Amino acid sequence: QVQLQESGPGLVKPSQTLSLTCTVSGGSISSGGYYWSWIRQHPGKGLEWIGYIYYSGSTYYNPSLKSRVTISVDTSKNQFSLKLSSVTAADTAVYYCARGRRNLDTAMVGGFDYWGQGTLVTVSS
Amino acid sequence: QSALTQPASVSGSPGQSITISCTGTSSDVGSYNLVSWYQQHPGKAPKLMIYEVSKRPSGVSNRFSGSKSGNTASLTISGLQAEDEADYYCCSYAGSSTYVVFGGGTKLTVL
Repeated sequence: QVQLQESGPGLVKPSQTLSLTCTVSGGSISSGGYYWSWIRQHPGKGLEWIGYIYYSGSTYYNPSLKSRVTISVDTSKNQFSLKLSSVTAADTAVYYCARGRRNLDTAMVGGFDYWGQGTLVTVSS
Repeated sequence: QSALTQPASVSGSPGQSITISCTGTSSDVGSYNLVSWYQQHPGKAPKLMIYEVSKRPSGVSNRFSGSKSGNTASLTISGLQAEDEADYYCCSYAGSSTYVVFGGGTKLTVL
């Protein structure tokens, strides 16, 4: 059974960089066939896709966040990470890591099948 | 404002069927069979219910089904049960510049 677990600071100061790591167990990031993803949910709001990375290192970002986002992968640790720079209060949200199923025909994500429990990150001084 | 449009709320009685719509455009829902649906209970992570328009992951009840017509995808829940009460989100691939878009979510109330 694949499991994902987010870790990182729950409080970040404005203008600083938010950094989170997702540790994957029960499966290898290097096995291919999946996109390793970050998705967030503002308090009481809907889901917002941040971006995802393939094990090879190819990255895909939400255009509205692209200038501030970096997603990286460490296959030796079976982890992938999110960095979001220049944060403001508007970045306060629950951040989820998730596994995206790679559709064989299009090579894009057909659904996110495993999710971490989510971690609340508050941006405040 | 979300890229995909869902009704804010739907309701139904136990045993009934309900359908939640998800309207996009020819750039996302209309162009790709990469629509997925998620169920989210309060304080919990979303759970994949349908992927690639109509496929059900292992372990998901066959009371849940998905379909698509044109730019609109739909999630149908038959034989409503109390535990189906939750928020539901649709999601679609949206091409090689936008990639992924979500709907704003629909709150399902089981009366």
